Amino acid sequence: NAGVTQTPKFRILKIGQSMTLQCTQDMNHNYMYWYRQDPGMGLKLIYYSVGAGITDKGEVPNGYNVSRSTTEDFPLRLELAAPSQTSVYFCASSTGQGWYGYTFGSGTRLTVV
Amino acid sequence: GESVGLHLPTLSVQEGDNSIINCAYSNSASDYFIWYKQESGKGPQFIIDIRSNMDKRQGQRVTVLLNKTVKHLSLQIAATQPGDSAVYFCAENIAGSARQLTFGSGTQLTVLP
Repeated sequence: NAGVTQTPKFRILKIGQSMTLQCTQDMNHNYMYWYRQDPGMGLKLIYYSVGAGITDKGEVPNGYNVSRSTTEDFPLRLELAAPSQTSVYFCASSTGQGWYGYTFGSGTRLTVV
Repeated sequence: GESVGLHLPTLSVQEGDNSIINCAYSNSASDYFIWYKQESGKGPQFIIDIRSNMDKRQGQRVTVLLNKTVKHLSLQIAATQPGDSAVYFCAENIAGSARQLTFGSGTQLTVLP
């Protein structure tokens, strides 16, 4: 099993550009999450989804959008990139039953210049 | 502010010694806690978890202690090895929060030869 796969691994954006960070999982997990991690900091929740067609805001949703059309995929869209969005982005998934832990992807390092 | 915090941002230990990483939480409704390990350039990896109805749980070389009276969590690593060098995060789940984990800012553990 691949687990949680994120693409791309690295990206440099210019201010005002847009992009989509891809996340896919092959564990049939219902719950999926997007976190951002700023240097020397913990992870902050951007958006989450408890199943296909259902998404909700986390702690820091401004400047981002998500969709969840399938169980497997949970893309994160950045519109009008700003330097404040320079961060490492992690996607994670969870079964939604029993164990509360997450399986994380390896992250996308985004720099906005 | 963050619900989960760490007492020390960095910790250096000699190889073979025991390590103790501390974490404070403020939400009495937190019912589940996890420790994650994050190596440089990688996503967080699950280490050990504990439910709020327990006060101790042991894994392989790791022990988590939970003191609900003072809202304190600790991770003990026995016989610390060079491969244990990483950032360690505690995370909490607040009951009824759709399994959203709130992460602390992390402790950098460095194992000295």
